[in-house]
Amino acid sequence: RKEVEQDPGPFNVPEGATVAFNCTYSNSASQSFFWYRQDCRKEPKLLMSVYSSGNEDGRFTAQLNRASQYISLLIRDSKLSDSATYLCVVNNNNAGNMLTFGGGTRLMVKP
Amino acid sequence: GAVVSQHPSWVICKSGTSVKIECRSLDFQATTMFWYRQFPKQSLMLMATSNEGSKATYEQGVEKDKFLINHASLTLSTLTVTSAHPEDSSFYICSARSQPGLLPSYNEQFFGPGTRLTVL
Repeated sequence: RKEVEQDPGPFNVPEGATVAFNCTYSNSASQSFFWYRQDCRKEPKLLMSVYSSGNEDGRFTAQLNRASQYISLLIRDSKLSDSATYLCVVNNNNAGNMLTFGGGTRLMVKP
Repeated sequence: GAVVSQHPSWVICKSGTSVKIECRSLDFQATTMFWYRQFPKQSLMLMATSNEGSKATYEQGVEKDKFLINHASLTLSTLTVTSAHPEDSSFYICSARSQPGLLPSYNEQFFGPGTRLTVL
């Protein structure tokens, strides 16, 4: 079983749609959680951290369920520019602060 | 702030040659740098963790004699792919992390733009 699992997609949605991505992680000792965005042939860029209480940044909402070891990302009012691969990333702080990346979920927003 | 550069951004080489990739933290001192590899349509896989002034720690399955890592200063780490073969063709990305107690946040890794290696 992979440490961080995501549905690879692609998710094809029209502009303005709301789309949700899910992610599960296997290491219950994981302490920090992130969503990164990666555009084609580019490096990943931090989109947002994920906190236990849930957090929102504009059109993006992230939630964490530690009991179920589950992380989600909700994107409201999708824009064409949201088209990218979204990576669920887990940091097991006890293992030297290393990041473990999920396989990514590809989003394509169409006009 | 927190900018990481990589050089070169892309390289094409013949099989059997060695390729050196540089990773630099431009505006902060990076105690630790990480090297990742990403094959097409796959996620980033950590290859090794490099701490300034000490030997790199390699992940299982990564040959340390093939992927030589040098982290000689707090702003520079290099990855040398020795005797590269077509199966080494990939997107190599480094990231850098600051020191505890200093900015930028120690808990965040800052990624370089990546180096695309093609071995013919």
